[in-house]
Amino acid sequence: AQKITQTQPGMFVQEKEAVTLDCTYDTSDPSYGLFWYKQPSSGEMIFLIYQGSYDQQNATEGRYSLNFQKARKSANLVISASQLGDSAMYFCAMRERDTGNQFYFGTGTSLTVIP
Amino acid sequence: DVKVTQSSRYLVKRTGEKVFLECVQDMDHENMFWYRQDPGLGLRLIYFSYDVKMKEKGDIPEGYSVSREKKERFSLILESASTNQTSMYLCASSPLGPGELFFGEGSRLTVL
Repeated sequence: AQKITQTQPGMFVQEKEAVTLDCTYDTSDPSYGLFWYKQPSSGEMIFLIYQGSYDQQNATEGRYSLNFQKARKSANLVISASQLGDSAMYFCAMRERDTGNQFYFGTGTSLTVIP
Repeated sequence: DVKVTQSSRYLVKRTGEKVFLECVQDMDHENMFWYRQDPGLGLRLIYFSYDVKMKEKGDIPEGYSVSREKKERFSLILESASTNQTSMYLCASSPLGPGELFFGEGSRLTVL
């Protein structure tokens, strides 16, 4: 079974609008972390936001927030007030405590911001 | 500024050649990883290492080997490159405890 599932290969959003990128995960480990990364066309992977499995509140970092629904095993990324520079690939990832510090990645979502 | 540095951004090699991809991190991280990235497949783990001289196979180790002689350096080796190994290769490191992966800029390998 896939550890991380991103079901949206591509998304479009109007500039200044908010957009939600979906991510579901699969684990039986009670201790895990969830991450989102951005990959612009230049190729570098940029860390955006982190959510720990025991965190009570949703993580936020500037215009990024993580909508963490533990019972549904989802960790959606919300980008508010989209900007042209947000056009990129976005990857959801998980790190489990019990699997030797391995990180598991989804297949990514390509976001295009339309002026 | 903390960094993960990959030796080459772009490489072109011929089938059958031996290829070395080098990765160095300056953050004293215990864990280091090599991923392969292909369109529609996301990042797939080739090998990772949690200590000097230690290595663990990831999801797609076939055709690859690794070396970690020093804590800061993790090398990916293609013993005999094949065209299906044309891809983007990403090196990353992380501390032992909770924390994110830090990535290098990637090495785009083309095997002709």
